[in-house]
Amino acid sequence: AQKVTQAQTEISVVEKEDVTLDCVYETRDTTYYLFWYKQPPSGELVFLIRRNSFDEQNEISGRYSWNFQKSTSSFNFTITASQVVDSAVYFCARMDSNYQLIWGAGTKLIIKP
Amino acid sequence: DTAVSQTPKYLVTQMGNDKSIKCEQNLGHDTMYWYKQDSKKFLKIMFSYNNKELIINETVPNRFSPKSPDKAHLNLHINSLELGDSAVYFCASSQDRGVQYFGPGTRLTVT
Repeated sequence: AQKVTQAQTEISVVEKEDVTLDCVYETRDTTYYLFWYKQPPSGELVFLIRRNSFDEQNEISGRYSWNFQKSTSSFNFTITASQVVDSAVYFCARMDSNYQLIWGAGTKLIIKP
Repeated sequence: DTAVSQTPKYLVTQMGNDKSIKCEQNLGHDTMYWYKQDSKKFLKIMFSYNNKELIINETVPNRFSPKSPDKAHLNLHINSLELGDSAVYFCASSQDRGVQYFGPGTRLTVT
């Protein structure tokens, strides 16, 4: 199966530290989309970013940044100067050829005050 | 204005019962989805549906069936509920199979 791997089950850091969440994917497709979603303790799934495989430029949005490395099939997510409100489960996903999302297992991020 | 809504938010029922979860989206999207999230937070696609095509994940038991009365609604019917069906079920929608936006989830508990 062409899976998405988030090897870090849980990460705990102290507020204001930087933290990187890893995502590695498998695919035989030449064109694909990658995603990150956030699931805070309240339970909803919040869309963060979509990246087309043709666009390898890194992206920054405030304290969030994403590093897409096609050569290593990785799409890592970094939070700079973390805050308690960043505590959540973060999911990486890849869209398959049926336009369905294949999800990683999620990384639980705990930010301690 | 809720973009994707689900009812009920919580559903507690006994084994063997039949139940439905409703989903509505007001985004004008053409594709809707149902996902199951188990107790370990693992997410799995169950169905995707637009006006032309229903794609069913082959691992989903046929006790589960999606029903779409119109483009803005995709309901999930579950027959003969089993203990293993306990999970959080998420509805989502997208336009042209783009970014998927999710509802708040329905926590189903089968006793």
